[in-house]
Amino acid sequence: QKEVEQNSGPLSVPEGAIASLNCTYSDRVSQSFFWYRQYSGKSPELIMSIYSNGDKEDGRFTAQLNKASQYVSLLIRDSQPSDSATYLCAVNNPYGGSQGNLIFGKGTKLSVKP
Amino acid sequence: DADVTQTPRNRITKTGKRIMLECSQTKGHDRMYWYRQDPGLGLRLIYYSFDVKDINKGEISDGYSVSRQAQAKFSLSLESAIPNQTALYFCATSDRRNTEAFFGQGTRLTVV
Repeated sequence: QKEVEQNSGPLSVPEGAIASLNCTYSDRVSQSFFWYRQYSGKSPELIMSIYSNGDKEDGRFTAQLNKASQYVSLLIRDSQPSDSATYLCAVNNPYGGSQGNLIFGKGTKLSVKP
Repeated sequence: DADVTQTPRNRITKTGKRIMLECSQTKGHDRMYWYRQDPGLGLRLIYYSFDVKDINKGEISDGYSVSRQAQAKFSLSLESAIPNQTALYFCATSDRRNTEAFFGQGTRLTVV
């Protein structure tokens, strides 16, 4: 069983601070990594994808990947109350089977305080 | 209009009833998925389909069945609903080249 682990939180940060969300995965063969944002009662929305070691920036979001450590993170700069949501880490599963081809972590709940 | 559309958005049904949740997509993706989400348990895969003739069981397929009527349509059925199937259900799609999934708006199902 392949696993994707996230701290469930809640992670509380003040408005304007940097929020750091972390994710570890169990299978070294995985090549594709994704971050989804999910507001309460809504569907997950893809916000970042990363495929190579290093950093990928998109606006206030930076995804970081370290395949050697099997670790992927999401940094949110200048956090806003509207960033308050649950963030899901997802990792591709090249083996398929009952887990399908994309394995999700259980998510980290982020709360940004005004 | 949403690229991945689920109907109904909310449903309350009684124990023992058969219910169908429908999903249609305009993204042109080959692959479609059904997930359920429960508080604290995250997203769990029920069934997935890589094309019209391909159906695969996910981790929690017991009590559910699916039909892939066309490339764009994938329905989930609860043959005899039970209260512990009360959950938020999501349909998702992806294409064969990329594994990132795109989700529908969700169906909140309550079994009483």
